[in-house]
Amino acid sequence: SQKIEQNSEALNIQEGKTATLTCNYTNYSPAYLQWYRQDPGRGPVFLLLIRENEKEKRKERLKVTFDTTLKQSLFHITASQPADSATYLCALERGSTLGRLYFGRGTQLTVWP
Amino acid sequence: GAGVSQSPSNKVTEKGKDVELRCDPISGHTALYWYRQSLGQGLEFLIYFQGNSAPDKSGLPSDRFSAERTGGSVSTLTIQRTQQEDSAVYLCASSLKITDTQYFGPGTRLTVL
Repeated sequence: SQKIEQNSEALNIQEGKTATLTCNYTNYSPAYLQWYRQDPGRGPVFLLLIRENEKEKRKERLKVTFDTTLKQSLFHITASQPADSATYLCALERGSTLGRLYFGRGTQLTVWP
Repeated sequence: GAGVSQSPSNKVTEKGKDVELRCDPISGHTALYWYRQSLGQGLEFLIYFQGNSAPDKSGLPSDRFSAERTGGSVSTLTIQRTQQEDSAVYLCASSLKITDTQYFGPGTRLTVL
């Protein structure tokens, strides 16, 4: 069965440091991999999408890498701020079931001043 | 513009009762999705609509769950004879078309006593 693992349930870092979150998957051939942010009591908010033929994507302080050989994506937040504190979700979309997202359980990031 | 809205925001019901959850997608979005988020679990896909049709119902956990969409807009998720394990946050999302970015609503928290 399909499985998506995010490296840890919680990650605590100091303001200004780079946060690195990991998403590993098995039994997939994802067409797309996406990262979402979720704040308590709210729905997820889309951040970045990377395609299977892309290695890296950037948006402001965010960077996503995608290694289909390792079956892993890394999500980086540089110069982290307390406002970045949230749960970050990894989601995969398969070419055979476009539109249907398979989510990991998320990593709760806390950035302390 | 208005985002995805869901109602009610909270629903408490007794085991065995039926419930209806409503989703109003972003105007003009042809695709609509339902997910479920249980405590400590990742988002679980339930069903999606393209227009008023549901090409993929495979995520519905049992035949007690059904969903419909009318006029290519509002969708209703119905759970019959609710069970305690149905307690979760039910999230709706919409996108311009399949494979476009999914925009999530705030969710409906369902508690079955």
